[in-house]
Amino acid sequence: QVQLVESGGGVVQPGGSLRLSCAASGFLFSSYGIHWVRQAPGKGLEWVAFIRYDGSSRDYADPVKGRFTISRDNSKSTLYLHMDSLRAEDSAVYYCAKDWEVGARTFYFDYWGQGTLVTVSS
Amino acid sequence: QSALTQPASMSGSPGQSITISCTGTSSDVGVYNYVSWYQQHPGNAPKLMIYDVSNRPSGVSNRFSGSKSGNTASLTISGLQADDEADYYCSSYTRSNSVVFGGGTTVTVL
Repeated sequence: QVQLVESGGGVVQPGGSLRLSCAASGFLFSSYGIHWVRQAPGKGLEWVAFIRYDGSSRDYADPVKGRFTISRDNSKSTLYLHMDSLRAEDSAVYYCAKDWEVGARTFYFDYWGQGTLVTVSS
Repeated sequence: QSALTQPASMSGSPGQSITISCTGTSSDVGVYNYVSWYQQHPGNAPKLMIYDVSNRPSGVSNRFSGSKSGNTASLTISGLQADDEADYYCSSYTRSNSVVFGGGTTVTVL
């Protein structure tokens, strides 16, 4: 059974940093690309970042480029999102989501975690 | 990248059919057949319902179907059931090598 469990959310001041984690189980983590997708309270979904199955390639949405860093540790089946220079508009539930196809980046998300809430506020 | 345009809300009676539209541009929906739809019940994570415009993942009811014409994709829910009450989001691959979502449609079963 595929499971993705996010952690690390919380309240942080504008300009601060936070690191999110996503622990995966139930599938061969090292074979799949993984994404971060966020959802501001009461709003729609927004793709944030992607990392290739082997960590060799990373993509970011324009609003977070230069501030967020996605990484992974395949030995621990864990995904990370390091967030710097946080802004109020970064406040959202952050989901990790598994890509649909082994070894590829399809932007189809077939399994999601339950999300972790990040609130940027003074 | 602007969000895809979806109606904010739609409703229908049990057993009826509804069709949710998702309008993009010639930079996303209009040029790629990489459109997907997600269902999200309150407090839950989204669930993939349709991919590649009209394909259903294993386990998704055949009451859900997708289509596309020009810059507009559509999700049809046939034989509406109480459990279909949820938010629905479309998404599309874009020319900028990214993905864009719609603003979401809240479906209410009367």
